[in-house]
Amino acid sequence: KAGVTQTPRYLIKTRGQQVTLSCSPISGHRSVSWYQQTPGQGLQFLFEYFSETQRNKGNFPGRFSGRQFSNSRSEMNVSTLELGDSALYLCASSSTGQGGYTFGSGTRLTVV
Amino acid sequence: GIQVEQSPPDLILQEGANSTLRCNFSDSVNNLQWFHQNPWGQLINLFYIPSGTKQNGRLSATTVATERYSLLYISSSQTTDSGVYFCAVYSGGSNYKLTFGKGTLLTVNP
Repeated sequence: KAGVTQTPRYLIKTRGQQVTLSCSPISGHRSVSWYQQTPGQGLQFLFEYFSETQRNKGNFPGRFSGRQFSNSRSEMNVSTLELGDSALYLCASSSTGQGGYTFGSGTRLTVV
Repeated sequence: GIQVEQSPPDLILQEGANSTLRCNFSDSVNNLQWFHQNPWGQLINLFYIPSGTKQNGRLSATTVATERYSLLYISSSQTTDSGVYFCAVYSGGSNYKLTFGKGTLLTVNP
């Protein structure tokens, strides 16, 4: 079966702009979560959605938001980009959100 | 929250050598996964192992949940095994997230 698909793979944005990243989970998986990976902070949890409801959110500013659609696809949005938002953003899907996560290839965002 | 510590942070091996990576966690967990991050950034799931022992080819993993640690064994290492290995845990309840260790950077030289 198809894996977790993230688009786009690479993005270059300017400070102050906003960006939207997309994630399509494995068919049948209803939980989608997002992580940010930076050299300094490692892998940090952003948020998790299940059946269109956000069940948990990490310690990130309100500029980071997300949503999930009825087909379980998810998007995350970052507004008013800062240089520090440059990172690899990883999406993971799970059938229940309680383990057994599969990750996508990630979106590498560079803010200039 | 739960803390996850991995050791060693860096490991350099010659091709053909064996290695053991360790993951300690500070509280009981419902699930534990080992990942290998490839050069393009994707996290490849190696094992889903909340307890017990599993083997997949040259790799095997053991989790001793009562003592709060997990081990990843790599035998007869190959250059393609190079990369960062992460341990991640799900502590249960309603947090619905993985907590990651900082990883072990493995370099296998030919």
